[in-house]
Amino acid sequence: NAGVTQTPKFQVLKTGQSMTLQCAQDMNHNSMYWYRQDPGMGLRLIYYSASEGTTDKGEVPNGYNVSRLNKREFSLRLESAAPSQTSVYFCASKTHDKTGELFFGEGSRLTVL
Amino acid sequence: GENVGLHLPTLSVQEGDNSIINCAYSNSASDYFIWYKQESGKGPQFIIDIRSNMDKRQGQRVTVLLNKTVKHLSLQIAATQPGDSAVYFCAEKDDYKLSFGAGTTVTVRA
Repeated sequence: NAGVTQTPKFQVLKTGQSMTLQCAQDMNHNSMYWYRQDPGMGLRLIYYSASEGTTDKGEVPNGYNVSRLNKREFSLRLESAAPSQTSVYFCASKTHDKTGELFFGEGSRLTVL
Repeated sequence: GENVGLHLPTLSVQEGDNSIINCAYSNSASDYFIWYKQESGKGPQFIIDIRSNMDKRQGQRVTVLLNKTVKHLSLQIAATQPGDSAVYFCAEKDDYKLSFGAGTTVTVRA
């Protein structure tokens, strides 16, 4: 059981380049999330998808787009990368119940030069 | 090795002592409050949560306390072990949206 799988694990981009971070979960979870983590700032919510077919903005959505491709997959796209988007990105998923247990991937470290 | 009342970014604890990690939350509408542990190079891992209509919940070596009057959440770890060294985050859930605090780095001294 792989849980939440993110690809790539590491990426270096030049300013203005685009890329997509992929996330897939095999736990049949309804909700999926993208967070970014910067030193001293904890995890900040970028976008989330409460269920297949829906997406909503989180705290820091500017510069990002998302696609809930199907129940398993939730991708995060940077259309024109900026140095301020250098961060570690985490994808997470949770069941349909009301509790707060998120299952996280191992993270994707992105550097924008 | 106790830390009561204030949120501090770091906490140093002697092995075997009890630890208390504090967190302030902001959203009165949050229905669940959660603690996560993050080890170096890994994603956060769920520890325990508490529903908003409760004030205490116990797990294995951990206890979470919720004070809605002052919007304060704490995590108590009994008999702290070297494996407890990590960054601890509190989070609050409002419907499907989960928001995290800045985190506390716990270092366990041998």
